[in-house]
Amino acid sequence: DSGVTQTPKHLITATGQRVTLRCSPRSGDLSVYWYQQSLDQGLQFLIHYYNGEERAKGNILERFSAQQFPDLHSELNLSSLELGDSALYFCASNPRGPDEKLFFGSGTQLSVL
Amino acid sequence: GQQVMQIPQYQHVQEGEDFTTYCNSSTTLSNIQWYKQRPGGHPVFLIQLVKSGEVKKQKRLTFQFGEAKKNSSLHITATQTTDVGTYFCAGSSGSRLTFGEGTQLTVNP
Repeated sequence: DSGVTQTPKHLITATGQRVTLRCSPRSGDLSVYWYQQSLDQGLQFLIHYYNGEERAKGNILERFSAQQFPDLHSELNLSSLELGDSALYFCASNPRGPDEKLFFGSGTQLSVL
Repeated sequence: GQQVMQIPQYQHVQEGEDFTTYCNSSTTLSNIQWYKQRPGGHPVFLIQLVKSGEVKKQKRLTFQFGEAKKNSSLHITATQTTDVGTYFCAGSSGSRLTFGEGTQLTVNP
């Protein structure tokens, strides 16, 4: 158990809908990262938050947004969903920044039908 | 932007054979990390290399970081069925961690 909690584990929705993925980092970790993994693909970096502030943005679509709350949990909002958004979304955390190892959650499997 | 390329994409070996995956970055890295993702699982941290030319070993796994800090390799000696999974390198530039595409290893018993 990495200590990073992601909910829900599975999400099935329809095109055009909006969903929210939630992540609770390890106790004490200030950094939260979101990654997207499509079938048999690598890990595409979406966004990094540190102590509530956005620190780096990767290949995140304009339809996607994220935030980190004062209690350090994070949410990834995906809107106007398309079939191609179907993927495994991972959250990871670490104490400070990208120079440290990441602890990954178990992921949220999103299926857009 | 920073790119991290990893080869091969797939590797099938017989149990007992050796396995190597290679990672190359388009930019000089501050460190490189390696992760393993078992089928149906999440990535799990294996090791971090920081120094130029660094070599680290974990039992049958040997990790190397290139002199220019732009490439790295992971070598597994005498693979076992428990080594099955996808191995990812991830290069850190200080501001972000970029993952390679991963090498999916299958081991035939």
